[in-house]
This record gives sequence, C-alpha cells and structure tokens, in this order.
Amino acid sequence: DTEVTQTPKHLVMGMTNKKSLKCEQHMGHRAMYWYKQKAKKPPELMFVYSYEKLSINESVPSRFSPECPNSSLLNLHLHALQPEDSALYLCASSQDVTVMGSPLHFGNGTRLTVT
Amino acid sequence: AQTVTQSQPEMSVQEAETVTLSCTYDTSESDYYLFWYKQPPSRQMILVIRQEAYKQQNATENRFSVNFQKAAKSFSLKISDSQLGDAAMYFCAYRSTAANSKLTFGKGITLSVRP
Repeated sequence: DTEVTQTPKHLVMGMTNKKSLKCEQHMGHRAMYWYKQKAKKPPELMFVYSYEKLSINESVPSRFSPECPNSSLLNLHLHALQPEDSALYLCASSQDVTVMGSPLHFGNGTRLTVT
Repeated sequence: AQTVTQSQPEMSVQEAETVTLSCTYDTSESDYYLFWYKQPPSRQMILVIRQEAYKQQNATENRFSVNFQKAAKSFSLKISDSQLGDAAMYFCAYRSTAANSKLTFGKGITLSVRP
C-alpha cells in the first residue's frame, strides 16, 4: 500500500488541453514534491512545497503550474503541453524540508502522454 | 555540486544468490545522508535503506545491507538471498544537510533476477 496517492494513474492529453494531476498524503508531512521521470532515467525535481508554500521551482516552464491547497494535497495543473513533456510524474512527501535525513515517500506516479 | 555515480547500467543475479550494486559520490561535505531507492515496474519509488554519514556502522534492513566507505566515497548495496521481487531499477541518492538541499540521484541500475 502506498501512503502517497496519485491520480490519475494514466493520462492522455492533447497539446491544447488543460488537465490536473493530484497527489494526497496523510502522514502529516509538511514537505511535498513534484518530480518528472523519463524512462530508465532518475527522477528530476520540478517543485518543492514547504508548509504549503512554494520553496523551490527548478526553472520549470510555466505550462506546469503547481498548487498546494492544504498540507495533505498537491496538484499539478497542465496547460499547452508539448509531446516532450510525456513522462512519469511522481509526487513525494517528507517530514519537513529542514529534516534532511527524512526520506522521501513517493506515490505510484501518473503516466502522462501528450499527443 | 554533489554528484552520484552508478557506473553499471545493468546487473543480473541468480535467485537466492547475493549481488552487490555499486555507487560512488563526490562531495566536499562531511555530513550528509545516503539512500538507496528501488523502483519496480509498478513505478513506485521505495526506500530500501538509509545511511547517515556521521555513523560509521553500516545500515542493514533485513536482506539489504550497505558497505559505506566514507573516505572512498563509496556506498554499495548488498542484496542477500535474492528474490524474484527484487527485480527493479535501483537508484543511489545523496542529500546534503544544508538548508533546502535536494536529493541527488545516480543514473540507476537495472537488476534482473534469474529463476
């Protein structure tokens, strides 16, 4: 059982569509992350939220828009994506960004295909 | 900047045998954390084991253990009594103790288990 839940599991969208990825955790973690992962590659950090505030944006294009409505939820809004944005999008959480030894807990990811 | 190197892209092990996955890293810091994550075809990144650099004792977790050589900046993972369920991609990762530090992943290694 995963403690970080991501929906949907799969998403196919056109380049003009608007869609959202959702992530939820109930471990009381105060740090949440979005990663992008291409096949057979390590995850690449996109965004970090700490106590519901955006603390790191890894120069991600504006067509990706993160949102943290509360401490348990993290969304990633997608608009006008490109085919090269097709990837596995992973959400993760950790106890706190200041607790460096606290491991990240990952969800199962959303497999995104942009057509 | 820290780097993590996993030089072997693929390895194979016979079921019930032991296999060691290598990882080296480069850092100028004296205190940090090291992790091994497993990513099976189910896609979820699962924490396998964690090592704190200031602890000399090698971490163990059931059939998984590490050989942490701080001076050599080496952090290998040993899997004993390999099982079919161990087949996955394994990522070595580094995290500094500095504020807002990110998890730095190696390129990963694909482990297959032969029945």
